Amino acid sequence: DADVTQTPRNRITKTGKRIMLECSQTKGHDRMYWYRQDPGLGLRLIYYSFDVKDINKGEISDGYSVSRQAQAKFSLSLESAIPNQTALYFCATSTSGGKGNEQFFGPGTRLTVL
Amino acid sequence: AQKVTQAQTEISVVEKEDVTLDCVYETRDTTYYLFWYKQPPSGELVFLIRRNSFDEQNEISGRYSWNFQKSTSSFNFTITASQVVDSAVYFCALSDLVRDNYGQNFVFGPGTRLSVLP
Repeated sequence: DADVTQTPRNRITKTGKRIMLECSQTKGHDRMYWYRQDPGLGLRLIYYSFDVKDINKGEISDGYSVSRQAQAKFSLSLESAIPNQTALYFCATSTSGGKGNEQFFGPGTRLTVL
Repeated sequence: AQKVTQAQTEISVVEKEDVTLDCVYETRDTTYYLFWYKQPPSGELVFLIRRNSFDEQNEISGRYSWNFQKSTSSFNFTITASQVVDSAVYFCALSDLVRDNYGQNFVFGPGTRLSVLP
């Protein structure tokens, strides 16, 4: 089984709808992240969480919210989806910082907002 | 501010050719980490290598090699005798100690799409 899973893998929705993307991990890592990938822009950080009680905004958090329900679960919500939120979304995990540890990514969720 | 530049948007080579993917980074910190990730057509992100700023030794892993040069702020990736399975988008990423401790781990470059033709 994959260490980092994301559901759904694909989603098509309409403008104005509320959408939740879920991420679960079995790696036992403290840190979890949400990124979006757009062509030509690489990955950009939306939110990150050190632990269940620590959630922080990334560089493009507007229009998004998150919830860290448990160490293993980190969900991303689009309260009112808009077309420019169409993108590939990745969840990632890592161990605690200070050592430049690599991030482990889920398989991604392709979201289309019509 | 931290920044990663991958000037090559797309590269096409014929199988068995060698190819180098360029990565140039900017950071004010003396302690930092550089990474390469591969994103094959299936979409997942696969970790390839990590290098810290104190280790400038080149790394070789099979057909892959990495050339880290602090003097030019570059961390280039070479694939020798390329194969069709190497076709993917390759991302270079930077993490510095301050950002790492505060959790904003990575700054990604825009990626280079490599197509290896049979």
